[in-house]
Amino acid sequence: DAKTTQPNSMESNEEEPVHLPCNHSTISGTDYIHWYRQLPSQGPEYVIHGLTSNVNNRMASLAIAEDRKSSTLILHRATLRDAAVYYCILMKTSYDKVIFGPGTSLSVIP
Amino acid sequence: DTGVSQDPRHKITKRGQNVTFRCDPISEHNRLYWYRQTLGQGPEFLTYFQNEAQLEKSRLLSDRFSAERPKGSFSTLEIQRTEQGDSAMYLCASSTRDHPYEQYFGPGTRLTVT
Repeated sequence: DAKTTQPNSMESNEEEPVHLPCNHSTISGTDYIHWYRQLPSQGPEYVIHGLTSNVNNRMASLAIAEDRKSSTLILHRATLRDAAVYYCILMKTSYDKVIFGPGTSLSVIP
Repeated sequence: DTGVSQDPRHKITKRGQNVTFRCDPISEHNRLYWYRQTLGQGPEFLTYFQNEAQLEKSRLLSDRFSAERPKGSFSTLEIQRTEQGDSAMYLCASSTRDHPYEQYFGPGTRLTVT
């Protein structure tokens, strides 16, 4: 299975944009890029996913490199509530389970 | 829609005892998943159901672990003869069959084996 690499931790100031990087150099043509996040003391929650084109939803934006070997989750305006562990995950649509790595722990500074 | 619920939220048990956890998925979701998470790690997949059928089990799910979803609604995860290494957060998630990647997680059951 293709693997993702994320920084262990990042910091952001409140109300500033945050760019969370993910490298997936061995991604295959059928792998979708998914992001989940886990707030303290809660279960993970789905954030966004994409295949080739950039994606936007109410929570975040996903920017995918043209060669698909990397992607960036963008939080447009970080709030204290966005402090969480963010997981970048590759999945094929036929996969039925989510394989979590260690993720990036995001701290938001007031 | 009340989301995925899990019961109990916390369980403390002595080594060697059996424990059972319950998960109630979102009502229209036909897929249900169990994960285990230890401190500082991402969740690890254990098993999943589509309706009442258990379709996949991880090698992490030893013989002491059993999961059921008898009527395709709620599910139970039982651990027999608990060991200290079983101490973890046990997470349940559910999804529709058409969107398995968009899983909705419950708050988890934290198990402490003393």
